[in-house]
Amino acid sequence: EVQLVESGGGLVKPGGSLRLSCAASGFTISNYNMIWVRQAPGKGLEWVSSISSSGSHIYYADSVKGRFTFSRDNAKNSLSLQMNSLRAEDMAVYYCARDAGHMDVWGKGATVTVSS
Amino acid sequence: DIQMTQSPSSLSASVGDRVTITCRASQSISSYLNWYQQKPGRAPDLLIYAASSLQSGVPSRFSGSGSGTDFTLTISSLRPEDFATYYCQQSYSTVYTFGQGTKLEIK
Repeated sequence: EVQLVESGGGLVKPGGSLRLSCAASGFTISNYNMIWVRQAPGKGLEWVSSISSSGSHIYYADSVKGRFTFSRDNAKNSLSLQMNSLRAEDMAVYYCARDAGHMDVWGKGATVTVSS
Repeated sequence: DIQMTQSPSSLSASVGDRVTITCRASQSISSYLNWYQQKPGRAPDLLIYAASSLQSGVPSRFSGSGSGTDFTLTISSLRPEDFATYYCQQSYSTVYTFGQGTKLEIK
C-alpha cells in the first residue's frame, strides 16, 4: 500500500525548533518531487515547501523562507522538515504529500502547536 | 505569486443537486489546475488533475473543465458523502498556491 506517515509534531515555545519526519512506503520517493503543506486551525491549505526528486532544487513559501529546511534521504525513503524560530502563526497540521504534478498521496498529518 | 480565487466560499445544496464551483487564477496557468476534497479531520484527497482528468477511484459524478484562468468543478448529482470542503490548486509555477476553499453544506 502506498503510504506517507508524518511524525515529530508536538508543543513548542515561540522561538523554538521542531523537526518533522515523513516516512514513505509502497513507493520509492527518489522517483518523485515531494511537498509539505500545512493547515492552520480552521483555515485553508497552504503550500510550505517542495523538493525535487534528487534534492537539488528546493522551494519555500515566503512565510517560512530562512527558517524552515526541507531535506530528503532517498536511501531511507524519508523526508524531513527542520523548523526553526517558530512563531504562533506556524501552528498547524503539517502534511507531506507526493507530487506527481498534482498531490496524489498525502499523509495523515502531524500537529505542531506553538505556545508559551 | 499566482493567486487562486474560488467562488463561492460556501454553498448550501441538497442531495441530488448539480453543483458547480469556480476557480480563477490571477494569470494564465494553462491546464495546471487540480481539485481536492477535504473532510473534517482528514487529509485532502485528489479529485481532478490537469483541469479535467479524473483521479483513479473518484466517482464519475465529479468533473472538471477550463483552461487559462477560469476553471470549474462540477458534481452532477450530490451524494451525502460529498458534503466537504473543496480546494483548487495551481501547479503551473514552482510556488504552488491553493484557493481559499469552498465549503459545501447540506441544505
